[in-house]
Amino acid sequence: DVKVTQSSRYLVKRTGEKVFLECVQDMDHENMFWYRQDPGLGLRLIYFSYDVKMKEKGDIPEGYSVSREKKERFSLILESASTNQTSMYLCASSPEVRGQETQYFGPGTRLLVL
Amino acid sequence: QKEVEQDPGPLSVPEGAIVSLNCTYSNSAFQYFMWYRQYSRKGPELLMYTYSSGNKEDGRFTAQVDKSSKYISLFIRDSQPSDSATYLCAMSPYGNNRLAFGKGNQVVVIP
Repeated sequence: DVKVTQSSRYLVKRTGEKVFLECVQDMDHENMFWYRQDPGLGLRLIYFSYDVKMKEKGDIPEGYSVSREKKERFSLILESASTNQTSMYLCASSPEVRGQETQYFGPGTRLLVL
Repeated sequence: QKEVEQDPGPLSVPEGAIVSLNCTYSNSAFQYFMWYRQYSRKGPELLMYTYSSGNKEDGRFTAQVDKSSKYISLFIRDSQPSDSATYLCAMSPYGNNRLAFGKGNQVVVIP
C-alpha cells in the first residue's frame, strides 16, 4: 500500500511565525503535491514537484514556498504565517507513469494561525 | 465556468438506499476519472478509477463515465452508515499529473 505521512495532524501557530509542514511518501513516486482544503472552496493546489529540486506553482502559491531535497520528502513552508492561512493542508504523491494519474493523499495537517 | 462542477449537497439517505452522485466537466481532454472518499478530518482515499467512457463496478460501488455528455457518476448500493463521508470527483487529461477536483459532495447515511 502507498503510504503518505505528514509530520503533524494539528498545529497552532502565531501570526508572523515561519511554519514548516513535512510530507514523506514511501512508494518512490516522482510527483508530489501540496493542497489546501477549505469549506466551500474544495481542494486548491499550492505547489507541486515532478522531481528532486524541481517545483512548479499551482493555483494559489502566494505566501508559500516548497522544498524537495530528497525524492521521498516534500516540504511546504509558510514564510510568515497569516490568519488567512488557517486551513487543512494535504500532501499527495503519484507515480510518473502514463495511465496512472491517481494521487495518493496523506492524512492532512490542520493548521490554525492565531 | 469551472472545469469541474459537483453539487456539494449535503445528501441524506436512509440505510440501504442507493446513493447517486455526479460531476460535470467542461474540458473534453479529460481521460482519467476518479472518485475519492474523505472521512471527516482525514485525507481523501481513492475509491474508484476509470479510464474514458464506460462503467466500472467494485462491490457496492459503480462508477460511470459518459464522455459525450461530459458527465460522471458514482452509485453506492445498499448504503451503510460507514459510507457517510464526503465524496470528491477528480479527473485529468492523458499524461498530465495535475488533477481537477470537484468541491466534494457530503453524504450522510441514516441508520
